[in-house]
Amino acid sequence: QKEVEQDPGPLSVPEGAIVSLNCTYSNSAFQYFMWYRQYSRKGPELLMYTYSSGNKEDGRFTAQVDKSSKYISLFIRDSQPSDSATYLCAMSDGYNTDKLIFGTGTRLQVFP
Amino acid sequence: GAVVSQHPSWVICKSGTSVKIECRSLDFQATTMFWYRQFPKQSLMLMATSNEGSKATYEQGVEKDKFLINHASLTLSTLTVTSAHPEDSSFYICSAGDRGRIDTQYFGPGTRLTVL
Repeated sequence: QKEVEQDPGPLSVPEGAIVSLNCTYSNSAFQYFMWYRQYSRKGPELLMYTYSSGNKEDGRFTAQVDKSSKYISLFIRDSQPSDSATYLCAMSDGYNTDKLIFGTGTRLQVFP
Repeated sequence: GAVVSQHPSWVICKSGTSVKIECRSLDFQATTMFWYRQFPKQSLMLMATSNEGSKATYEQGVEKDKFLINHASLTLSTLTVTSAHPEDSSFYICSAGDRGRIDTQYFGPGTRLTVL
């Protein structure tokens, strides 16, 4: 079993839709949860960063962490064609903060 | 934001040759640099962590004699794939950041390596 599971998609939605991206994990020691966006042929860029459980909002993006269910989500409101990219979740246990465990990424396409 | 560059962006080489990939932090000094490998439809997998002026720490299963990492300065780390084979073909991505600051890892654009 992989430590982090993420549906690879692709996920195709119309412009303006609400997008829900999810990851599940098996390691209960994970405390830091990140979402990265990766455009084609580019490196990942950090979108959201949360510690422990709860919600965090930044503009059109909301990250949710449910540690009891070992489940994290990223919601994108009013999705735009420019949001088309691969979204990667990443996690760390906090004891070795250098090491991030990534999901496989979900490819999102927002069509006009 | 912080910028990390990689060179080359893509490289094709013959089996048995060595390939060097550079990772540079352009506008900040990185105490730590990380090297990842990403196979198609798979996760980014951490290969090694390097700190300036010291030996790299390799993840389990990564051959340190095959993937040579040099972190000579606070702005430059290099990864050399020695005696490359077709199974080494992959997307190699570096990141640079402050040790212990998990939200300040900045990723380079990646290097696509194809070994014929």
